[in-house]
Amino acid sequence: KNQVEQSPQSLIILEGKNCTLQCNYTVSPFSNLRWYKQDTGRGPVSLTIMTFSENTKSNGRYTATLDADTKQSSLHITASQLSDSASYICVVSAGNAGNMLTFGGGTRLMVKP
Amino acid sequence: DTGVSQNPRHKITKRGQNVTFRCDPISEHNRLYWYRQTLGQGPEFLTYFQNEAQLEKSRLLSDRFSAERPKGSFSTLEIQRTEQGDSAMYLCASSSENDWLSNQPQHFGDGTRLSIL
Repeated sequence: KNQVEQSPQSLIILEGKNCTLQCNYTVSPFSNLRWYKQDTGRGPVSLTIMTFSENTKSNGRYTATLDADTKQSSLHITASQLSDSASYICVVSAGNAGNMLTFGGGTRLMVKP
Repeated sequence: DTGVSQNPRHKITKRGQNVTFRCDPISEHNRLYWYRQTLGQGPEFLTYFQNEAQLEKSRLLSDRFSAERPKGSFSTLEIQRTEQGDSAMYLCASSSENDWLSNQPQHFGDGTRLSIL
């Protein structure tokens, strides 16, 4: 069964600090891995998308890594801001159809002043 | 605004009533997806369309649920005889068929939050 597990479930950090969120997956065949940011009451917004051949991708203060051998990904947030408070969802695609996306349960990040 | 639009944003109804949600995708996108998300969980796939054809339905989509995309543009999701367990956020997303080739993400709307009293 395709699964995506994220850790931690929730995280509280102080403004300005860095943090790293983890994603482990058992999805086959692997097509790509995406990180989404979801603000409370809003839809998810794409941060990064990586294929099998990519092992790192950045989007501003967000840097995602992918190790396709160990089936692990991480999302590193640098110099956190209050606006980074949100849920971060790891999504793994096994193909090109909507039903081929497997979503993780998300990590809820709270950045405190 | 060229994003995915969902209406209404919030819907409160009594158990047993029917509800209908609407999704307007990004205009050039031919794929449209419906997801359900409960508090603290990631979205769960319900169904998706390519143009007007409904290509896949999840087992989560009971016979009380029906989705349509009659002209291949906007879509509606109807829930009949609502139950307490239907309370959730219903998300719509869209993408181009070619987005998969260029590894572009699905674009999500802000969802319709359904509360069953």
